[in-house]
Amino acid sequence: EAQVTQNPRYLITVTGKKLTVTCSQNMNHEYMSWYRQDPGLGLRQIYYSMNVEVTDKGDVPEGYKVSRKEKRNFPLILESPSPNQTSLYFCASSFFGTTFDSTDTQYFGPGTRLTVL
Amino acid sequence: AQSVSQHNHHVILSEAASLELGCNYSYGGTVNLFWYVQYPGQHLQLLLKYFSGDPLVKGIKGFEAEFIKSKFSFNLRKPSVQWSDTAEYFCAVNAWNTGNQFYFGTGTSLTVIP
Repeated sequence: EAQVTQNPRYLITVTGKKLTVTCSQNMNHEYMSWYRQDPGLGLRQIYYSMNVEVTDKGDVPEGYKVSRKEKRNFPLILESPSPNQTSLYFCASSFFGTTFDSTDTQYFGPGTRLTVL
Repeated sequence: AQSVSQHNHHVILSEAASLELGCNYSYGGTVNLFWYVQYPGQHLQLLLKYFSGDPLVKGIKGFEAEFIKSKFSFNLRKPSVQWSDTAEYFCAVNAWNTGNQFYFGTGTSLTVIP
């Protein structure tokens, strides 16, 4: 089954304790992306990657890191989480890395709800 | 940075009523436009998308949207809503010359009363 998986689904942590949220897709997609969803703000793109070893900042990259060492995985790293990073995080992927066409679409993972105390 | 505006934050309709959700974007160049739906407790799913051609696009579950370039708008419509359409709806824009960044609106929460 084609899917984007994220782990963990729920995480409660404390300020300053490094954490990683994993994202994996089994569709051989080139493009992967991380978003955060906050009430009243919708989804905001954190980072995206158009292929292995290629990553770019989205709208809200501060406080986050990513890496793309393998095509299928795109982990989100919070080196020193703070309470303002409490949010619902979504990973997404799509086939084309350089430009979308009418046959392409983003597939979203189930989300990771992060609480930073 | 681009921006996407969804004017209706909360919409409450009775079943069989018609729906129109507004979406406007700020970018003046070539864009790809999307509507996503998020049912309670679920992840986002694509409803429909516009890349080029006919500005009236049809999606799943009876939804359609019309791209009006002169108004920078991409409004979502459905002639007759059902209780199962209760969800949050997001408009999104991917602007060609800003790489592959996606910009989402703040969402519209739709409640359909049986």
